[in-house]
Amino acid sequence: GENVEQHPSTLSVQEGDSAVIKCTYSDSASNYFPWYKQELGKRPQLIIDIRSNVGEKKDQRIAVTLNKTAKHFSLHITETQPEDSAVYFCAASIYAGGTSYGKLTFGQGTILTVHP
Amino acid sequence: AAGVIQSPRHLIKEKRETATLKCYPIPRHDTVYWYQQGPGQDPQFLISFYEKMQSDKGSIPDRFSAQQFSDYHSELNMSSLELGDSALYFCASSLGQPNEQFFGPGTRLTVL
Repeated sequence: GENVEQHPSTLSVQEGDSAVIKCTYSDSASNYFPWYKQELGKRPQLIIDIRSNVGEKKDQRIAVTLNKTAKHFSLHITETQPEDSAVYFCAASIYAGGTSYGKLTFGQGTILTVHP
Repeated sequence: AAGVIQSPRHLIKEKRETATLKCYPIPRHDTVYWYQQGPGQDPQFLISFYEKMQSDKGSIPDRFSAQQFSDYHSELNMSSLELGDSALYFCASSLGQPNEQFFGPGTRLTVL
């Protein structure tokens, strides 16, 4: 099955700095890659996602890049703010047109701390 | 906008007891997923349903079963509870594939 590796496990930055989190996946059939933000005891919330036919996607301070050849994707947060502090999870999913229904395989998570 | 509803939000059980967790997906969503998240862990996929039929199965113990009903709500039944079953259980729903999975608030199960 799919395996997703995520690094780093913890990341500490100063407010205003950029943060980068990287993930690799094992199954070349994976074609959907969401990123979730989870605060302690709360539900995972989607912050951005990318599909395999796109190399990069940006939404304000957040961007995701995908390298299908290397099987890795990255989350970039610019101008970090203290409220960005949370656990971030990458995930991978396979949609095979009826044989699979998109279960998510998550990375191990990154604890991001943004210091004021 | 309507969100995924889960009940109960908190549940405390003794070892060897049974528990039933309920999930009400967003209206018109056709796929429901169940995930288990242990302390400090990432969510692990348990089982999913597409249009009321089981569509995929992950690392779900034989002691657990699930189903989706005609009104699209889903229930996760857990029997012979063990201490290791203590976790956050999330239900998520989506419409079509591959599309965003919307997570419910979760049920925190504590097994004593």
